[in-house]
Amino acid sequence: AQSVAQPEDQVNVAEGNPLTVKCTYSVSGNPYLFWYVQYPNRGLQFLLKYITGDNLVKGSYGFEAEFNKSQTSFHLKKPSALVSDSALYFCAGGMNTGFQKLVFGTGTRLLVSP
Amino acid sequence: DSGVTQTPKHLITATGQRVTLRCSPRSGDLSVYWYQQSLDQGLQFLIQYYNGEERAKGNILERFSAQQFPDLHSELNLSSLELGDSALYFCASSFSQGQRETQYFGPGTRLLVL
Repeated sequence: AQSVAQPEDQVNVAEGNPLTVKCTYSVSGNPYLFWYVQYPNRGLQFLLKYITGDNLVKGSYGFEAEFNKSQTSFHLKKPSALVSDSALYFCAGGMNTGFQKLVFGTGTRLLVSP
Repeated sequence: DSGVTQTPKHLITATGQRVTLRCSPRSGDLSVYWYQQSLDQGLQFLIQYYNGEERAKGNILERFSAQQFPDLHSELNLSSLELGDSALYFCASSFSQGQRETQYFGPGTRLLVL
């Protein structure tokens, strides 16, 4: 079965430090990968996506993600964390099913301390 | 604001009852997706419609049904409600149905079954 995994339930980082939120995928063929962020009592907001091409994808709010085919990973990164980045982050994959059904990871809570 | 609207924001009902959740996609988007987010199951894809036709089904119970109307808004009907149906229900939309398309999420409807 195709799946997306987020191995960390929570990531803690101090403001100003770099942050990484991990995601790995398991899929046959070429995956389409997405990152979404969910703020309290809000819907999911699109951050970035990887379809093909450059392995480093730049997205909203200064976030970027690196697609690594050999490690089957798509980690979310930001050079300098802000307190306002504290939220729930979801990695998702649009797999080769013909129709786009997103498969989500379980989410990682990011806490940025002042 | 993603441009996707959902009503109502909150819904409290009793077991055995039936409710209807409504979603209006972004202007111009033809695809509508429904997701359920619960504490124990995480984010799960329920069903997708494209231009009025059902395109893909996920983990949707037989007690649940959906449709997309000619004006492209969609409704998710939940019947014979059980306590375990309490969850956040998200609608998302995209222009087409391809795997490369970004899905934009609404704010969700929080359903509480008592």
